[in-house]
Amino acid sequence: EVQLVESGGGLVQPGGSLRLSCVASGFSFSSVEMTWVRQAPGKGLEYVSYISSSGNAFYYADSVKGRFTISRDNAKNSLYLQMNSLRAEDTALYYCARYKSLDYWGQGTLVTVSS
Amino acid sequence: DIQMTQSPSTLSASVGDRVTITCRASESVSMWLAWHQQKPGKAPKRLIYGTAILGTNVPSRFSGSGSGTEFTLTISSLQPDDFATYFCQQYNTDPWTFGQGTKVEMK
Repeated sequence: EVQLVESGGGLVQPGGSLRLSCVASGFSFSSVEMTWVRQAPGKGLEYVSYISSSGNAFYYADSVKGRFTISRDNAKNSLYLQMNSLRAEDTALYYCARYKSLDYWGQGTLVTVSS
Repeated sequence: DIQMTQSPSTLSASVGDRVTITCRASESVSMWLAWHQQKPGKAPKRLIYGTAILGTNVPSRFSGSGSGTEFTLTISSLQPDDFATYFCQQYNTDPWTFGQGTKVEMK
């Protein structure tokens, strides 16, 4: 069974940093490209970042470019999102999902940016 | 960025109704279009990818069609479990973008 479990969210002050993790199981993680998507409270879905299966290619939404870094450790079946210079508008539930078409989603981890 | 526009934003329907949701892209996304269903407090679930390919274990009452810039999601006979919000998503061009969502509510 495919499982994606996010962690690392929490309350952080504006300008602070957080590192999100997504641990995968039930499939060959090293063969699968991954995506982070976020959803602000009561709002729609917003793509954040994508990484290829090898980790050699990655993309970012303009809203996070230069502040967020996506990475992966295929030996640990883990995906990461390093978030720096956080802003109030980054407050959201952050999901990891497989592939560009997002066939399986985790349950999300909540990031709240507030003073 | 490619803009995805769904209509309607809200749809009131009854069990057994045929329901159609439209998604328009600001430029062609070829066939690279997915539909996701989200229920309150839950993660989204992918229903359809590649415009018309049903995801694993997705009931056959769901179907997708279209190409280029205009796409539809159809539920042939609405069931109680289908009251939810539906999002289209293009993954042809980075950044992947989503429609604003269509809430299907009980009439």
